Amino acid sequence: NAGVTQTPKFRILKIGQSMTLQCTQDMNHNYMYWYRQDPGMGLKLIYYSVGAGITDKGEVPNGYNVSRSTTEDFPLRLELAAPSQTSVYFCASSYRVTPNTEAFFGQGTRLTVV
Amino acid sequence: DAKTTQPTSMDCAEGRAANLPCNHSTISGNEYVYWYRQIHSQGPQYIIHGLKNNETNEMASLIITEDRKSSTLILPHATLRDTAVYYCIVRGSGGSNYKLTFGKGTLLTVNP
Repeated sequence: NAGVTQTPKFRILKIGQSMTLQCTQDMNHNYMYWYRQDPGMGLKLIYYSVGAGITDKGEVPNGYNVSRSTTEDFPLRLELAAPSQTSVYFCASSYRVTPNTEAFFGQGTRLTVV
Repeated sequence: DAKTTQPTSMDCAEGRAANLPCNHSTISGNEYVYWYRQIHSQGPQYIIHGLKNNETNEMASLIITEDRKSSTLILPHATLRDTAVYYCIVRGSGGSNYKLTFGKGTLLTVNP
């Protein structure tokens, strides 16, 4: 069982370039999330989705876009990369959002914008 | 969501029990306490969670005080591979329960 899979693992972008971070899960989870983690800091929620076709903003959505066309996939799009978006990005999923349900995380995408 | 307070870092000898404290004095009655860990920038890994009663699984034990204002994660026999940042999180209810709010956590270093 693969769980949550993120690609690529590493990427270097130039300022102004765009890219899509891919995330897929094979656990049939309805809920998916994108977090970013800056060096020495905790994780901050960028966007989340409660099911196919439904997305909403988290704490730090500026500069990002998401889509959820299928239950399995939740890609994160950076349109105009900026140095402030240098970070490690984690995708996560959960079956429900009740307080009694754990989330499962991918291994992360390390992005550097130069 | 209730905020949590954890020590910045702790050390533990290999083979000994690691006891990681967490204060969550503003926790409300229907909020769960979760623990995750993150090993060297890998994705966070779920460890355990609980509401009122003490919990135990194959990884750890969670002891929650009777007033629920604090908790302790116990790794009974720490190994070098348990060196990681451990996050104590209070899981919100209602409109915010989709979110896990990660602080800076406790860096646990297990020494040989």
